[in-house]
Amino acid sequence: AQTVTQSQPEMSVQEAETVTLSCTYDTSESDYYLFWYKQPPSRQMILVIRQEAYKQQNATENRFSVNFQKAAKSFSLKISDSQLGDAAMYFCAYRIYNTDKLIFGTGTRLQVFP
Amino acid sequence: DAGVIQSPRHEVTEMGQEVTLRCKPISGHNSLFWYRQTMMRGLELLIYFNNNVPIDDSGMPEDRFSAKMPNASFSTLKIQPSEPRDSAVYFCASSVGGRVSTEAFFGQGTRLTVV
Repeated sequence: AQTVTQSQPEMSVQEAETVTLSCTYDTSESDYYLFWYKQPPSRQMILVIRQEAYKQQNATENRFSVNFQKAAKSFSLKISDSQLGDAAMYFCAYRIYNTDKLIFGTGTRLQVFP
Repeated sequence: DAGVIQSPRHEVTEMGQEVTLRCKPISGHNSLFWYRQTMMRGLELLIYFNNNVPIDDSGMPEDRFSAKMPNASFSTLKIQPSEPRDSAVYFCASSVGGRVSTEAFFGQGTRLTVV
């Protein structure tokens, strides 16, 4: 069975600094997608970034980038120049290529201090 | 598009009562998901549908839970009878589906409290 593990229940960072959130997954599949979602206090789930497993290049979206290590089954999220608005729960998610089943980790709560 | 619409936003009910949560997916999306969020377990996938057909219900905790999708624009998640341990936030999400790397779009969730 596929699983997604986020080993950091909570993280904190100072404004303008960089923080990295960890995610590992377990799968026997070779084709899949990985996602990071953000959930602010409003409860809304917002897609931050996605990565296709067949792409070697790490995805980037402005201040957000990933370090995708396929052999190690690792998918970490780096937030640069952290802002107060980045404070939220962050969820890592996995989806097999030819299905729609989307599986989430348990989340990491990120606090940003001024 | 208004996005995924869930109702109600909040529900408080007494143990033993039936609870029905509702979801309207984004028009044109073929896949619909029901998730449960708790502090301990994070986001658990309960069930998902593709083209109104349940594909995987292995996450449904027990027979007290049931989900239906009578048409492409409506789904329900029912708990009967409800128990205090069912208290959680329940999310509905939809996606285009198929071999497309689109993300799932989530509703605002229903916070269920069973007392």
